[in-house]
Amino acid sequence: DSGVTQTPKHLITATGQRVTLRCSPRSGDLSVYWYQQSLDQGLQFLIQYYNGEERAKGNILERFSAQQFPDLHSELNLSSLELGDSALYFCASSFGPKDTQYFGPGTRLTVL
Amino acid sequence: QQQVKQSPQSLIVQKGGISIINCAYENTAFDYFPWYQQFPGKGPALLIAIRPDVSEKKEGRFTISFNKSAKQFSLHIMDSQPGDSATYFCAASHGGGSQGNLIFGKGTKLSVKP
Repeated sequence: DSGVTQTPKHLITATGQRVTLRCSPRSGDLSVYWYQQSLDQGLQFLIQYYNGEERAKGNILERFSAQQFPDLHSELNLSSLELGDSALYFCASSFGPKDTQYFGPGTRLTVL
Repeated sequence: QQQVKQSPQSLIVQKGGISIINCAYENTAFDYFPWYQQFPGKGPALLIAIRPDVSEKKEGRFTISFNKSAKQFSLHIMDSQPGDSATYFCAASHGGGSQGNLIFGKGTKLSVKP
């Protein structure tokens, strides 16, 4: 158990819908990262937050957005969902931006 | 553009054998190279990591070899066990600024046969 929690574990929804994925980092960690894992693209970095501020953006679609709250938990919002958004979404946390990243168990999103 | 190339895509090794997974990178600004292990249905877990100031790091049965001039690094699993069967990802990040996002290879599915 990495200490990073993600909810929900599974999410099934329809095209065009909007969903919110939640992540609670390990106690004491200030950085949160979101990654998408799909069969064809592998593990891809989406976005990073540090102590509430956005620090880096990767291959994140405009339909996706995220935020980190004052209690340091983070939410990833996915809107206008398409079939191709079906994937595993992982949250990772670290104390600082250059420290070891610990991954949560992931949220499996299925878009029908 | 894939910045970290990993090979092989899959690997079958007999119990007790040596598993070797290779990665190559392009960005010379990378300064942190971790390996993650992922079991089905689980998130990636850090296995071992190296920085470019050393050429080798060993932790138990796991060794990273690093060749800065060739921009390559590899994971060696000695005395491979069936419990090592998992998908392994190499990754890289650069320490510039306050970014720490990891660039992952495509992964290697390792099967260790009893």
